[in-house]
Amino acid sequence: KAGVTQTPRYLIKTRGQQVTLSCSPISGHRSVSWYQQTPGQGLQFLFEYFSETQRNKGNFPGRFSGRQFSNSRSEMNVSTLELGDSALYLCASSVAGQETQYFGPGTRLLVL
Amino acid sequence: DAKTTQPNSMESNEEEPVHLPCNHSTISGTDYIHWYRQLPSQGPEYVIHGLTSNVNNRMASLAIAEDRKSSTLILHRATLRDAAVYYCILRESGGTSYGKLTFGQGTILTVHP
Repeated sequence: KAGVTQTPRYLIKTRGQQVTLSCSPISGHRSVSWYQQTPGQGLQFLFEYFSETQRNKGNFPGRFSGRQFSNSRSEMNVSTLELGDSALYLCASSVAGQETQYFGPGTRLLVL
Repeated sequence: DAKTTQPNSMESNEEEPVHLPCNHSTISGTDYIHWYRQLPSQGPEYVIHGLTSNVNNRMASLAIAEDRKSSTLILHRATLRDAAVYYCILRESGGTSYGKLTFGQGTILTVHP
């Protein structure tokens, strides 16, 4: 099976812009989770989607949002970008959300 | 979420066994112990998990203390490719923490040739 794919792999934006990141889970996986990784805060959970519904959410401001489509692909959006949003954004998929998670390679976002 | 404590870093020589400790004194009866690792420039990768009994798979072994307040990830013969950050994570079984893994700082494993 193909692994989790994330696009784009690298992205440069400026403050105030918005960005959309995409994640395609492993075939058959219906749960998609998103994480932010920074040198200072480490890996932090953003949110989880299952069957197009957000079931769990981390402690991030409302500028961070996501959605999931009927084919389980997911997107996350960050509006009004801030310098502190520069990070590696990781997507992980699992069958139903409570099992082993499989991570993609991440999208590295740089905000200037 | 119950908290885990790991050493910041450990070193090993290639082809020697490595024992990575993890303390989780506040673990509850329904918490599974999971280990993930993150190689440089990659996303985290599942290694192994267990509840009470020791577990083995092709990557590693997991030894769980009888009182479950600590565990040890064992890499039987370290290779250079095992150099990574290793995370010990507790996951509640049957809870509502869908998709959420709570990562600590992990242990940076350095493997010397």
